[in-house]
Amino acid sequence: AQKITQTQPGMFVQEKEAVTLDCTYDTSDQSYGLFWYKQPSSGEMIFLIYQGSYDEQNATEGRYSLNFQKARKSANLVISASQLGDSAMYFCAMRTNNQGGKLIFGQGTELSVKP
Amino acid sequence: DGGITQSPKYLFRKEGQNVTLSCEQNLNHDAMYWYRQDPGQGLRLIYYSQIVNDFQKGDIAEGYSVSREKKESFPLTVTSAQKNPTAFYLCASSFRLGQGRNQPQHFGDGTRLSIL
Repeated sequence: AQKITQTQPGMFVQEKEAVTLDCTYDTSDQSYGLFWYKQPSSGEMIFLIYQGSYDEQNATEGRYSLNFQKARKSANLVISASQLGDSAMYFCAMRTNNQGGKLIFGQGTELSVKP
Repeated sequence: DGGITQSPKYLFRKEGQNVTLSCEQNLNHDAMYWYRQDPGQGLRLIYYSQIVNDFQKGDIAEGYSVSREKKESFPLTVTSAQKNPTAFYLCASSFRLGQGRNQPQHFGDGTRLSIL
């Protein structure tokens, strides 16, 4: 069965420091996509970064980077130089090859950035 | 600006009542999705549509219905058969899977549904 696991319900980080949010996944597909979304308290889901299963290099988008270890089936999100506005829920998701390419989401990690 | 508009932002349902959540997109996406989010949980797929006049059940479709008469619109009806409708509902759209695996799903701002 396809599954996303986020084992950190909550994380704290000091402003300006880096933080890693963990994500492991399970799939028997050879081709898949991994996404990270940010959900502020207002509720909208904001796309942050994408990693394809065949991508050889780790994805980066500004302060966000993805530490992709395919053999371990992990896709951890690294946020560098944390800002107060980074406080939010963060979801790891996998795009499947069935059900119209639906996203399977993890339970999320609540990140709190301390001043 | 292109995006997804969901309305209303808050909705209250009386027992035995059907309510409809609106979702409109101007991103020219073929695929649209409805997800449900319960407190402290990730999102679960209710229904999806890859093309006009076609839609499929997701993982938790019981008690819900949808229509896709226009490319831009994908309304969700929460029927009286859905016994636990209180949740946050998110609509999303994207290019179809074959059009670009790396294309993210774009989400609306959501509708919070509660029972009166």
